[in-house]
Amino acid sequence: EAGVAQSPRYKIIEKRQSVAFWCNPISGHATLYWYQQILGQGPKLLIQFQNNGVVDDSQLPKDRFSAERLKGVDSTLKIQPAKLEDSAVYLCASSFGQRGDNIQYFGAGTRLSVL
Amino acid sequence: DAKTTQPPSMDCAEGRAANLPCNHSTISGNEYVYWYRQIHSQGPQYIIHGLKNNETNEMASLIITEDRKSSTLILPHATLRDTAVYYCIVRVNTDKLIFGTGTRLQVFP
Repeated sequence: EAGVAQSPRYKIIEKRQSVAFWCNPISGHATLYWYQQILGQGPKLLIQFQNNGVVDDSQLPKDRFSAERLKGVDSTLKIQPAKLEDSAVYLCASSFGQRGDNIQYFGAGTRLSVL
Repeated sequence: DAKTTQPPSMDCAEGRAANLPCNHSTISGNEYVYWYRQIHSQGPQYIIHGLKNNETNEMASLIITEDRKSSTLILPHATLRDTAVYYCIVRVNTDKLIFGTGTRLQVFP
């Protein structure tokens, strides 16, 4: 079974530029998550989708971050404009969302460096 | 905020059992204990979860105390590839995962 795919693996940009990350969840998984992981900390949830609808975006800095999941499969997370403090690893995860255990499976992440 | 307390780091000799403790004194009756680990430069990986009873799978065993206020993750025969940060998380199954800073396990030869 293929896992959660993310691209790119690494991205370096200057502050005030824009950047986008892509995620392809495990086939059949209805729920998709985006996390931000700053160095030395655990991942923090940014946004959760159930199919193509947003379930939780309470921690998403909406003035600069946006995410979409058109057609309820792939998802894109965008930052515009980027700040130095956005340097982090951005992780995508997916789960069936309907099952009782609701285990989340994570991709390898995209490491963003903002200079 | 994370609802669990874990030691920041632990060491274990290769081939020995690694016992990782977790305190969750405010756990609710419908909250499960989940364990994930994160190997360097990878995303978190699910290990095991449980509600009341002890659980075992091909990766590890989870021992939950009778009062459910603490638990221990056991890796029976640690290898160098088990070196990682281990996260203990309590949650209702429909809730989001809230990660703390975890325990950094270093397995040495």
